[in-house]
Amino acid sequence: GAGVSQSPSNKVTEKGKDVELRCDPISGHTALYWYRQSLGQGLEFLIYFQGNSAPDKSGLPSDRFSAERTGGSVSTLTIQRTQQEDSAVYLCASSPRPSGGYNEQFFGPGTRLTVL
Amino acid sequence: AQSVTQLGSHVSVSEGALVLLRCNYSSSVPPYLFWYVQYPNQGLQLLLKYTSAATLVKGINGFEAEFKKSETSFHLTKPSAHMSDAAEYFCAVSDRAADKIIFGKGTRLHILP
Repeated sequence: GAGVSQSPSNKVTEKGKDVELRCDPISGHTALYWYRQSLGQGLEFLIYFQGNSAPDKSGLPSDRFSAERTGGSVSTLTIQRTQQEDSAVYLCASSPRPSGGYNEQFFGPGTRLTVL
Repeated sequence: AQSVTQLGSHVSVSEGALVLLRCNYSSSVPPYLFWYVQYPNQGLQLLLKYTSAATLVKGINGFEAEFKKSETSFHLTKPSAHMSDAAEYFCAVSDRAADKIIFGKGTRLHILP
């Protein structure tokens, strides 16, 4: 079946512009996660959705970052007034249930964001 | 709080040699542990996971990992490296209270011909 998809695969933007990154999770997966992957920094947790609710937004680095999920499916990560330090690969993952137990997370290929 | 430490951001081994990637964890409760692999320009995929059953866990592509509580370790091994094993490997621990997985910073594995 279809895996997690993300769009766009690459995004180049100018400093100060807003960007939207999209994630389509595996059908039926209730949990959805966003991560940021910067060179040498590993995976930085951003936000977690269970259904359309976000019980954990603790990883969002500033109020320029926001995310929503609609219909328990597609999620959008929005970065306003982008800065050069926002340049990274943004990864989305989904899971049939919350991963706090032993449930595997299934990852998309990521969106590479470059802020000039 | 749960955390993982991966020793060595880069590891190089010769083709056919033993692969050993080190991971130590910190957890206040019995942990669930994972190894994920990321091939170039792809997302992460699960190699194996430990969920308190057998301490020696076998995964895909000939990899295995051993949970050692006394050493708080979960090192990843493969007896004979292949060129196709070149990738970045992430160790992770579950944070059950927060319903999320905490990832290490990753180790990039290079295979020398």
